[in-house]
Amino acid sequence: AAGVIQSPRHLIKEKRETATLKCYPIPRHDTVYWYQQGPGQDPQFLISFYEKMQSDKGSIPDRFSAQQFSDYHSELNMSSLELGDSALYFCASSLGRGGTGANVLTFGAGSRLTVL
Amino acid sequence: EDQVTQSPEALRLQEGESSSLNCSYTVSGLRGLFWYRQDPGKGPEFLFTLYSAGEEKEKERLKATLTKKESFLHITAPKPEDSATYLCAVQHSNYQLIWGAGTKLIIKP
Repeated sequence: AAGVIQSPRHLIKEKRETATLKCYPIPRHDTVYWYQQGPGQDPQFLISFYEKMQSDKGSIPDRFSAQQFSDYHSELNMSSLELGDSALYFCASSLGRGGTGANVLTFGAGSRLTVL
Repeated sequence: EDQVTQSPEALRLQEGESSSLNCSYTVSGLRGLFWYRQDPGKGPEFLFTLYSAGEEKEKERLKATLTKKESFLHITAPKPEDSATYLCAVQHSNYQLIWGAGTKLIIKP
């Protein structure tokens, strides 16, 4: 079965550079979520999109932006990178936002960003 | 304040030694409680969703239960491949997930 695809899997950047992470949800899933997970920490919710519109916003820094495109894939853009941005970035997708069995979040394998 | 607390932080068991992981929560407008398994460097893998107090779900050696204040993940006769971090998350009425810090489970052969 198709899963959530994230790219790149690993990314190394210098401070103050920019980075873009991509997420391709499970086919027919209309909701995408972005999470940031630091070493030994639980995933921190950044932002989500439902039907190509921002649906919820979490602890996403102003230096970050994201969008969901017409094919439902999503991109997380990070600018003016800081050392503290080094983390695993997970994308998840679901069918709808409602609290039903179909709203299970399926996670991608993650993109590991290292800022030097 | 909405909060999810998992205990213990880490648990070491011998293969075959059954135990339980706890997830206690305070949240307004609970839509559901999720259990995920996460292996190092990988994304969380969905295990269970529980929606109402009294609900129970089972999958192989795992059984999840839910009350109005907490959820338990019971593991029966665990094997070394069950070693992972187990994350609990509660879905708020605004659809956001509030995560616990996880329990790192180590099963020794």
